[in-house]
Amino acid sequence: DAGVIQSPRHEVTEMGQEVTLRCKPISGHNSLFWYRQTMMRGLELLIYFNNNVPIDDSGMPEDRFSAKMPNASFSTLKIQPSEPRDSAVYFCASSFGGNQETQYFGPGTRLLVL
Amino acid sequence: GESVGLHLPTLSVQEGDNSIINCAYSNSASDYFIWYKQESGKGPQFIIDIRSNMDKRQGQRVTVLLNKTVKHLSLQIAATQPGDSAVYFCAVLSGSARQLTFGSGTQLTVLP
Repeated sequence: DAGVIQSPRHEVTEMGQEVTLRCKPISGHNSLFWYRQTMMRGLELLIYFNNNVPIDDSGMPEDRFSAKMPNASFSTLKIQPSEPRDSAVYFCASSFGGNQETQYFGPGTRLLVL
Repeated sequence: GESVGLHLPTLSVQEGDNSIINCAYSNSASDYFIWYKQESGKGPQFIIDIRSNMDKRQGQRVTVLLNKTVKHLSLQIAATQPGDSAVYFCAVLSGSARQLTFGSGTQLTVLP
């Protein structure tokens, strides 16, 4: 089992640029979650999908953030335009079933916006 | 909403000793609790979970205790090893939205 796969692992970009983070959940899992982790705010849920449908996006900071899940094996989190305060580690997690129990996390994408 | 806190941001223990990491939660309707371990540069890794109909659950070298009366959760690690050094998060599931709320984390350092 490859686990949750995220790419890129590291991203450095300049303010105003578009950033796209990618996630492949564990095969057979039908729930997918995007988190942001910072020293100041800890681990925050941004959005989660169940069966490819966004269920709760109340954690998405603002309109600059968008997430899609076109199929069961792929999701993207896009930031456009990026700002320095978006610098954080972004995690994708997946779980089996329609709830949030026992989520398995990917290795994360460390984003630095200059 | 739910707020989840940890009693200590850092904990240092001698190798071979037992470790206890604590967590408090606010919502008495919370019914599912998870402990995660996060090593440097990695994502959180599931350790053990417990449901509200239990007060104790044991895994390999780890035990989770749940006290619903005082809304307190603890993780006990037996014979702590250097590989146990990491940040430990408790997470609580509650509410009709079934949203998982994470605590702020405790950094466990194992001293040789």
